[in-house]
Amino acid sequence: QVQLQQSGQGLVKPSQTLSLTCAISGDSVSTSGVAWNWIRQSPSRGIEWLGRTYYESQWYNDYAISVKSRITINPDTSKNQFSLQLNSVTPEDTAVYYCVRGKMSAFDYWGQGTLVTVSS
Amino acid sequence: DIVMTQSPDSLAVSLGERATINCKSSQSVLSCSNNKNCLGWYQQKAGQPPKLLIYWASTRESGVPDRFSGSGSGTDFTLTISSLQAEDVAVYYCQQYSSPPLFTFGPGTKVDIK
Repeated sequence: QVQLQQSGQGLVKPSQTLSLTCAISGDSVSTSGVAWNWIRQSPSRGIEWLGRTYYESQWYNDYAISVKSRITINPDTSKNQFSLQLNSVTPEDTAVYYCVRGKMSAFDYWGQGTLVTVSS
Repeated sequence: DIVMTQSPDSLAVSLGERATINCKSSQSVLSCSNNKNCLGWYQQKAGQPPKLLIYWASTRESGVPDRFSGSGSGTDFTLTISSLQAEDVAVYYCQQYSSPPLFTFGPGTKVDIK
């Protein structure tokens, strides 16, 4: 059974960096055919895919255009986890953030969610 | 970008009755490498993350009750709950994954008990 355990700050000041980590159990961050995603949800923006990292002979990353200039997703094979960094946050980045496993057939395992509030 | 719309925004159905939710995509999602519709349905209960119910538009995820079924092709899709149970109260979302790395969700349909 795959489990995703999220950790990280729940309150971030405007212009600072949001950082979250997702620890994986029951699978490997290096598994071929699987991507490790960050998705957020807010009343104003709905459910929004932010980006992913995956391994297919080498590491790849894809990011949503809306955050591409501010986002970094990194795998950590030594700890079997992956992370999200979102720079220069504004109140519009306030949302529940989820780490999610994805395969060709949609998003099948979700973390518990972390409410991140951007406020001074 | 592929835009997903859903109808209705909300519905209330009596216990044991059928609930039907519609989802439309702005472009065909019949484009995955296996010639299937790249469309998923999710259920989100209050305070929980979304849960995958259906993928490839009509394939039930393991453990999902058979009262949930998906149908449709191309741009028009339907999620049907054949006999609504109290535990089915939730918001339901459709999502396309036909144009990676861009994945988009619908706005959601809230299902309540009448």
